[in-house]
Amino acid sequence: DAGVIQSPRHEVTEMGQEVTLRCKPISGHDYLFWYRQTMMRGLELLIYFNNNVPIDDSGMPEDRFSAKMPNASFSTLKIQPSEPRDSAVYFCASSYSGAPYEQYFGPGTRLTVT
Amino acid sequence: GEDVEQSLFLSVREGDSSVINCTYTDSSSTYLYWYKQEPGAGLQLLTYIFSNMDMKQDQRLTVLLNKKDKHLSLRIADTQTGDSAIYFCAEPFLTGTASKLTFGTGTRLQVTL
Repeated sequence: DAGVIQSPRHEVTEMGQEVTLRCKPISGHDYLFWYRQTMMRGLELLIYFNNNVPIDDSGMPEDRFSAKMPNASFSTLKIQPSEPRDSAVYFCASSYSGAPYEQYFGPGTRLTVT
Repeated sequence: GEDVEQSLFLSVREGDSSVINCTYTDSSSTYLYWYKQEPGAGLQLLTYIFSNMDMKQDQRLTVLLNKKDKHLSLRIADTQTGDSAIYFCAEPFLTGTASKLTFGTGTRLQVTL
């Protein structure tokens, strides 16, 4: 398996622009997680899905952030409009609903908003 | 539990042992995890321990679990420069049949020659 795939790996955009981050989970995994990592706040869980349904979005910072999972093999995290404080590394992870519940992380998307 | 605590930084010399510590909060956690993050990469599961175990050994890695004190440690024997990374302790919050994880702040391990 190729592992969790994220695109793009790097994104530089100007404040106010829309940003879309993409994730392809590992085939057969039924959970998908979006995380954000910054020096100041560490690793934060933004939202997670089970069988394509959002279960907990309490970590989504504000209405500018939205996430979708239209099918089992694809998810997007959208920021509209983007702000400089959104600059971070965004990780997608997937897991199977069986012990030991290991999460497999993608390589991340480094977002810079200028 | 909401807070998984780790020290932020550890520096060791190549060949020495490294011990990274973690304090977790949920005594009902069934599994506890150590993840490793190398520069520019995502987190990768290094090892995990089931809560009914006190110790788990895997080659150069030894995990110790003290449930009474909610303390987890990771010992790396014969530390190499390739072990330089950030190490995260994590505990799960079981949600039905799967789990979201709460990660610690991460401990940056620096290995010097």
